Amino acid sequence: DAGVTQSPTHLIKTRGQHVTLRCSPISGHKSVSWYQQVLGQGPQFIFQYYEKEERGRGNFPDRFSARQFPNYSSELNVNALLLGDSALYLCASRRTGDEQFFGPGTRLTVL
Amino acid sequence: EDQVTQSPEALRLQEGESSSLNCSYTVSGLRGLFWYRQDPGKGPEFLFTLYSAGEEKEKERLKATLTKKESFLHITAPKPEDSATYLCAVFDYGGSQGNLIFGKGTKLSVKP
Repeated sequence: DAGVTQSPTHLIKTRGQHVTLRCSPISGHKSVSWYQQVLGQGPQFIFQYYEKEERGRGNFPDRFSARQFPNYSSELNVNALLLGDSALYLCASRRTGDEQFFGPGTRLTVL
Repeated sequence: EDQVTQSPEALRLQEGESSSLNCSYTVSGLRGLFWYRQDPGKGPEFLFTLYSAGEEKEKERLKATLTKKESFLHITAPKPEDSATYLCAVFDYGGSQGNLIFGKGTKLSVKP
């Protein structure tokens, strides 16, 4: 089975721009979570979606938003980019158990 | 506030030199402790889940153990390919979020 896929792999934006990151979960997984990982830190929780509904939100500003589609894929949107948004953005999916399986991530650089 | 602290931050071993990584946690209601391996620039790779004190799990040269306040990842006779950052996380249903809280990780380097 294919794992979690994310696109794009790398992205370079300038301050003030908007970005959309995409994630496809493992087949059969209905829950998708987004995490931000800055260099040297562990991943930090941003959002969780299950069955197209937001089930959890981390401590991130309203510039961050997400949604989940009927096929369980998900998008993370970030508006008005800041230099501090530069990070590896990770998507994780899970079925019904607790284990979350991560994708390869999208490396976002904000200049 | 829920916290996960990993030590040491970095560990250098010679090939074959066994050691342990530590993860201490404070959560309002633990439901699972997770270990992941992360290679540079890649997503974390799931290794183990532990649920109750005294539980142990093994995979090749790795063994994870859990107590009421901490977990250890024991690495026996490591090889250079074991070099990676090892992340510990807790899954806390007792807090406001039902998602993973990660530590900063331990960066392991194994020299031949």
